[in-house]
Amino acid sequence: DAKTTQPNSMESNEEEPVHLPCNHSTISGTDYIHWYRQLPSQGPEYVIHGLTSNVNNRMASLAIAEDRKSSTLILHRATLRDAAVYYCIRVPYGQNFVFGPGTRLSVLP
Amino acid sequence: NAGVTQTPKFQVLKTGQSMTLQCAQDMNHEYMSWYRQDPGMGLRLIHYSVGAGITDQGEVPNGYNVSRSTTEDFPLRLLSAAPSQTSVYFCASRKHEKLFFGSGTQLSVL
Repeated sequence: DAKTTQPNSMESNEEEPVHLPCNHSTISGTDYIHWYRQLPSQGPEYVIHGLTSNVNNRMASLAIAEDRKSSTLILHRATLRDAAVYYCIRVPYGQNFVFGPGTRLSVLP
Repeated sequence: NAGVTQTPKFQVLKTGQSMTLQCAQDMNHEYMSWYRQDPGMGLRLIHYSVGAGITDQGEVPNGYNVSRSTTEDFPLRLLSAAPSQTSVYFCASRKHEKLFFGSGTQLSVL
């Protein structure tokens, strides 16, 4: 059964970089890697996604391993507002999103 | 754009009652979906639609009905509520491989 695995929880200090890991060992060539986050009492929101190359946007960076079996979401300077559950999702093109339990990130002041 | 709007935000039902959770989007997205989220778990797909008149089942469809008569609206119906349906429900639309979620409906079935 293909699945992604993430740590249950992580902690970071405010204004420090955060690296959130994800393993997707059975990924195939057309599977996208998506990251969403869910702030308390809100619906999930899009963070970033990629296929093979590393990706950057205003929220974060996504580093994808050369063999694509793992990826890392990078928050360059964590703020208290970044405390959320972060979901890594492997999505075959055109298929539905399957959410796992994600990683709960705590940001310490 | 308002994005994805869900109503109501909170609802309490008695076992056996019926109700409809409303979802509307103003982004002209063809794909819409419903998820439920239980404590400590990820979101599970209930039903989805790839366009008006087309619906399909997700991972946990039992006890829920959907229809899609317009691009904008995708209501979720509970015909006979059960305590196991106590959950937070999220509606989402999709465009260009991105999901856009509503703020959720917290449903309690007593």
